[in-house]
Amino acid sequence: GENVEQHPSTLSVQEGDSAVIKCTYSDSASNYFPWYKQELGKRPQLIIDIRSNVGEKKDQRIAVTLNKTAKHFSLHITETQPEDSAVYFCAVDPNSGGSNYKLTFGKGTLLTVNP
Amino acid sequence: KAGVTQTPRYLIKTRGQQVTLSCSPISGHRSVSWYQQTPGQGLQFLFEYFSETQRNKGNFPGRFSGRQFSNSRSEMNVSTLELGDSALYLCASSLVFSGAVNEQFFGPGTRLTVL
Repeated sequence: GENVEQHPSTLSVQEGDSAVIKCTYSDSASNYFPWYKQELGKRPQLIIDIRSNVGEKKDQRIAVTLNKTAKHFSLHITETQPEDSAVYFCAVDPNSGGSNYKLTFGKGTLLTVNP
Repeated sequence: KAGVTQTPRYLIKTRGQQVTLSCSPISGHRSVSWYQQTPGQGLQFLFEYFSETQRNKGNFPGRFSGRQFSNSRSEMNVSTLELGDSALYLCASSLVFSGAVNEQFFGPGTRLTVL
């Protein structure tokens, strides 16, 4: 089955700095890569996702890059703010064509943005 | 639209008992997935249901089971509870249509404590 490695497990940055979280996966057939943010005591919420036919996607201060050859993808948050503090999870779905909904998650990164 | 709802939100059981958790998806969403979240193992996929049929299953013992009703509401059952079953159980619903990537929307979770 799919194996997803996420690094780092904790990340502390100063407000205004950038944060980068990286994930690697094992199944080369995987083609959908979402990122979720989970604040303490709350449900995971999708913040950005990317498909395998796209190398990069950006949404305001967050961006995701995908390298299918190397089987890794990364989350980039620029101009971090204290409200960005949360646990971030990467995930991989082996089939985005509508017949499988079986996300494999990384172990999460606790991001702390210090004011 | 109302979001994904889960009941109950908190549950305390003792070893050997069984428990049933309920998930109501977003209106129109026909796929419901279940995940177990623990500090040690992170988010792990349990199973996914679509049109009252289990389409995908994770690596959990047979004590974990589920079903889906004709209105897409889903239940999961855990029999013969063990201490290690203490976790946050999350369900997620998705709109299903072919050829498109479908975001999974998570519910708030049911916090199960096994004593």
